[in-house]
Amino acid sequence: GAVVSQHPSWVICKSGTSVKIECRSLDFQATTMFWYRQFPKQSLMLMATSNEGSKATYEQGVEKDKFLINHASLTLSTLTVTSAHPEDSSFYICSALAVPSYEQYFGPGTRLTVT
Amino acid sequence: QKEVEQDPGPLSVPEGAIVSLNCTYSNSAFQYFMWYRQYSRKGPELLMYTYSSGNKEDGRFTAQVDKSSKYISLFIRDSQPSDSATYLCAMSAYGNQFYFGTGTSLTVIP
Repeated sequence: GAVVSQHPSWVICKSGTSVKIECRSLDFQATTMFWYRQFPKQSLMLMATSNEGSKATYEQGVEKDKFLINHASLTLSTLTVTSAHPEDSSFYICSALAVPSYEQYFGPGTRLTVT
Repeated sequence: QKEVEQDPGPLSVPEGAIVSLNCTYSNSAFQYFMWYRQYSRKGPELLMYTYSSGNKEDGRFTAQVDKSSKYISLFIRDSQPSDSATYLCAMSAYGNQFYFGTGTSLTVIP
């Protein structure tokens, strides 16, 4: 299957700082990438849909000014958590959409801890 | 009513058993169906992908889609302890919006 990487896999930051998470599709081009958040023992919660060359579409309740998404190329999307607070601590997972099959491939996830 | 319903389990089976995992859905427009396996603290891994109806087999895994009943299944034959994980179903109508089940936690006991 196709490979999606995420970096970093784990990050600890202080409250008030910003953190950038990278999502890369390694062996295919993805015009669409998704960003999810997952709490322990819960399912995936879609945060936003990222389309290459255009603004991301955010789900209801997700602050677009806090979670900045940039999909600058067909293989890279970034999520920046700005002014992070402890309640932003979570597991963030990206995925990339392969066309024309519409198979969605996930990255390994990034565990963010805000102290 | 949720778009996708999945029994969260937990499901516990002995090694070698056949496991049956299921999801039901309400949107008749869904035509892309996927099963993912997720280990703790890891991203989901695509196991099976089916377009429209029918069966698909890959090794010990078989995915079935019954669009008339709005029901999809994943069967795991000769289950192994390494199959212990959470299994998520996912589906989409047009490939732009995906709906996930809540996941079924499976434990295979040696």
